[in-house]
Amino acid sequence: EVQLVESGGGLVKPGGSLRLSCAASGFTFTNAWMSWVRQAPGKGLEWVGRIKSKTDGGATDYAAPVKGRFIISRDDSKNTLYLQMNSLKTEDTAVYYCTTAVCRSGGNCYIFDYWGQGTLLTVSS
Amino acid sequence: DIQMTQSPSTLSASVGDRVTFTCRASQSISSWLAWYQQKPGKAPKFLMYKASSLESGVPARFSGSGSGTEFTLTISSLQPDDFATYYCQQYNSYSTFGQGTKLEIK
Repeated sequence: EVQLVESGGGLVKPGGSLRLSCAASGFTFTNAWMSWVRQAPGKGLEWVGRIKSKTDGGATDYAAPVKGRFIISRDDSKNTLYLQMNSLKTEDTAVYYCTTAVCRSGGNCYIFDYWGQGTLLTVSS
Repeated sequence: DIQMTQSPSTLSASVGDRVTFTCRASQSISSWLAWYQQKPGKAPKFLMYKASSLESGVPARFSGSGSGTEFTLTISSLQPDDFATYYCQQYNSYSTFGQGTKLEIK
């Protein structure tokens, strides 16, 4: 059974930093492309960024609102995905979901088929 | 950036009804559209890809159609478990979600 378990959320002041983790199990993490999606309280879903598997080059992509501030990385030896968040703003307040990112019948591989339960980040003074 | 717009924002319906949600893209995305279902306090669930292809395990009462900029998700006969918020997502260029349609009990 695929499991994604996020951790590391909490309360941070504007301008601060935080790192989220996502522990993966039940699938071959080394081969998986992974993504982060967030959801502000009472709002819709927003893609944050994606990382390819190391065998596919390990490249990262980011949404415009977080580009230059957030960094996605992975430790395949620990089956863990990370999201390093810097220069945090109040508008970054959200539940952050870790997801797998897959392709189905072609297209760009931004289909999110498995999701964790999410971890809440609150940015407030 | 590609913008996704869903309508209506809220839809009231009864068990057994047939309902249709609409999703529009700000530019053509071919058929690179997915649908997700989310219940309160839970993570989204992936339902459908390439506009009309059902993910394994998703009931056949769900169907999708469309291409280019106009898409629909239809539930043929609503079940109690279907009341939730539904999001469309384009994956033609990176990823963008619509703002969601909340399906509530009439």
